[in-house]
Amino acid sequence: AQTVTQSQPEMSVQEAETVTLSCTYDTSESDYYLFWYKQPPSRQMILVIRQEAYKQQNATENRFSVNFQKAAKSFSLKISDSQLGDAAMYFCACTNSGGSNYKLTFGKGTLLTVNP
Amino acid sequence: ETGVTQSPTHLIKTRGQQVTLRCSSQSGHNTVSWYQQALGQGPQFIFQYYREEENGRGNFPPRFSGLQFPNYSSELNVNALELDDSALYLCASSRRKTGGNEKLFFGSGTQLSVL
Repeated sequence: AQTVTQSQPEMSVQEAETVTLSCTYDTSESDYYLFWYKQPPSRQMILVIRQEAYKQQNATENRFSVNFQKAAKSFSLKISDSQLGDAAMYFCACTNSGGSNYKLTFGKGTLLTVNP
Repeated sequence: ETGVTQSPTHLIKTRGQQVTLRCSSQSGHNTVSWYQQALGQGPQFIFQYYREEENGRGNFPPRFSGLQFPNYSSELNVNALELDDSALYLCASSRRKTGGNEKLFFGSGTQLSVL
């Protein structure tokens, strides 16, 4: 079984500044993937960034980067140069890389507000 | 390339009724998963369909059932609706049934309210 915990229900950041969203997880799998998804008011879940657990190098996607601490089971998301369009719910999620199906386990989410 | 589409966008039902939600998967995708997102919560996995067969199920009772059709579109059926079934129901499709290296494409969901 996997669990994902997001301890920050809400965060706010000034436009152009940097914010970090926290996530911890627990899994019995030896190989797994971690994700950050963004859910804007349109409700559609959009993949922000993905990290393969066996890769030590932290994933980056333009202004988005992660700090993956495997031993601590921590997976935080850093958003640099925050833009108004970054305002949304952000969900951390985990899945095993093998198994018979593709099941994501999500945290409860962090609501990010970007102030102009 | 069309995205994942869900219908209807909103639905209101009364307790005890039955409901059917629909999902058209992205072109070329043979796997569809359904998630329930209650207010203030993250999505929870209901089940996955791969090539018209159920391929994994979360912790949901049998009154949640599904279908996948030859064109890989899918339905989620919920019988004997309860107030706690009120939630956003999300559909996601992918080209493969396993693997975190496969990208999931989500629809915009169906908001179900049970009165």
